Amino acid sequence: AQKITQTQPGMFVQEKEAVTLDCTYDTSDPSYGLFWYKQPSSGEMIFLIYQGSYDQQNATEGRYSLNFQKARKSANLVISASQLGDSAMYFCAMRGRDGGFKTIFGAGTRLFVKA
Amino acid sequence: EPEVTQTPSHQVTQMGQEVILRCVPISNHLYFYWYRQILGQKVEFLVSFYNNEISEKSEIFDDQFSVERPDGSNFTLKIRSTKLEDSAMYFCASTLEDRGRSPLHFGNGTRLTVT
Repeated sequence: AQKITQTQPGMFVQEKEAVTLDCTYDTSDPSYGLFWYKQPSSGEMIFLIYQGSYDQQNATEGRYSLNFQKARKSANLVISASQLGDSAMYFCAMRGRDGGFKTIFGAGTRLFVKA
Repeated sequence: EPEVTQTPSHQVTQMGQEVILRCVPISNHLYFYWYRQILGQKVEFLVSFYNNEISEKSEIFDDQFSVERPDGSNFTLKIRSTKLEDSAMYFCASTLEDRGRSPLHFGNGTRLTVT
């Protein structure tokens, strides 16, 4: 069965610095997708970035990049040049045949950006 | 950009009452989902729906829950007899495909409070 683990309940980062949010996963399926979502205090879920298990390069979307280490089964989110508006909850998520193609979520990491 | 819309944004109901949460998914999407998030906690999968039938449901989705797509645009979640522990944020989501890089597109959620 699929499993997503986020071990950092909370993280602090200084404005303009980079921060890495950890995510490890487990699956027996060789084909899967990994996603990161942002949930601001207003509550909506915002898709940030996707990494496919067969993608050769790490995904990037603007200030977001995904440090994908397949052998370690990790998919850490890197946010560069943090902004105050980045303060939010961040969820790592996974989808694959092993999980019946539903998307499952980790417990989340709350990021606080300090001015 | 097309979006998933959910109504109402907040629903207060008494224990034992029936509630219907409504969602309009993105029009060309084919897969529909309900997720639940108890305050500040993990985003939990409830049910997936494709081709007018449930494709998968979680243990949470017991006989008190049902879903329907009555008219080709709306997608509803009914809780037949609400319990205090049903208090949560309920998110509707849709996606074009259930694999590959197509992410979930979430609505803004319905906050259900059972008193």
